[in-house]
Amino acid sequence: AQSVAQPEDQVNVAEGNPLTVKCTYSVSGNPYLFWYVQYPNRGLQFLLKYITGDNLVKGSYGFEAEFNKSQTSFHLKKPSALVSDSALYFCAVSPNTGGFKTIFGAGTRLFVKA
Amino acid sequence: NAGVMQNPRHLVRRRGQEARLRCSPMKGHSHVYWYRQLPEEGLKFMVYLQKENIIDESGMPKERFSAEFPKEGPSILRIQQVVRGDSAAYFCASSPPGTSSNEQFFGPGTRLTVL
Repeated sequence: AQSVAQPEDQVNVAEGNPLTVKCTYSVSGNPYLFWYVQYPNRGLQFLLKYITGDNLVKGSYGFEAEFNKSQTSFHLKKPSALVSDSALYFCAVSPNTGGFKTIFGAGTRLFVKA
Repeated sequence: NAGVMQNPRHLVRRRGQEARLRCSPMKGHSHVYWYRQLPEEGLKFMVYLQKENIIDESGMPKERFSAEFPKEGPSILRIQQVVRGDSAAYFCASSPPGTSSNEQFFGPGTRLTVL
């Protein structure tokens, strides 16, 4: 079955430190990979996506993600966290099989302490 | 270009009533998706529609739930005879025509409370 796993319910980092939010997936073929962020009482906002090419993808607000095909992972990273980065982060996968269904992970809550 | 619009933002219904949630996709977008988010949980796919067609409804409950995206007007998610377990945030997203490599643009959501 196709699935997306975000193994950490919550990630705590201090402001200024690097952060990583983990994501692994189980989808056949070469899927498209996405990260979204959700602030309280808001809809999801697109951060970045991997389609093909360079394994390191840069996105909005200084975030980047590294695609690792052998480990089927797509971890979200930022070199220096800000308090304003505190939010709920979702990894998502869209199978590259002609359909349009996107599978979302359960989400990881990021807390950045000042 | 206005974003995805959803209304109402908050909806309160008593058990047994009907809930109608509306979604207007971004201009030029022909794909609409509905998701449900329970408190402290992730998004669960419900249905994917294109104009006048339901493409994938594998996430829709078998009873009481229906969705449409007519040729004119917004997409509608309809929940009949609501129960307390239907209380959740319902998000609509849209994407332009093309491939599934396109990111989805989300509306602000409708928060349904069933009393």
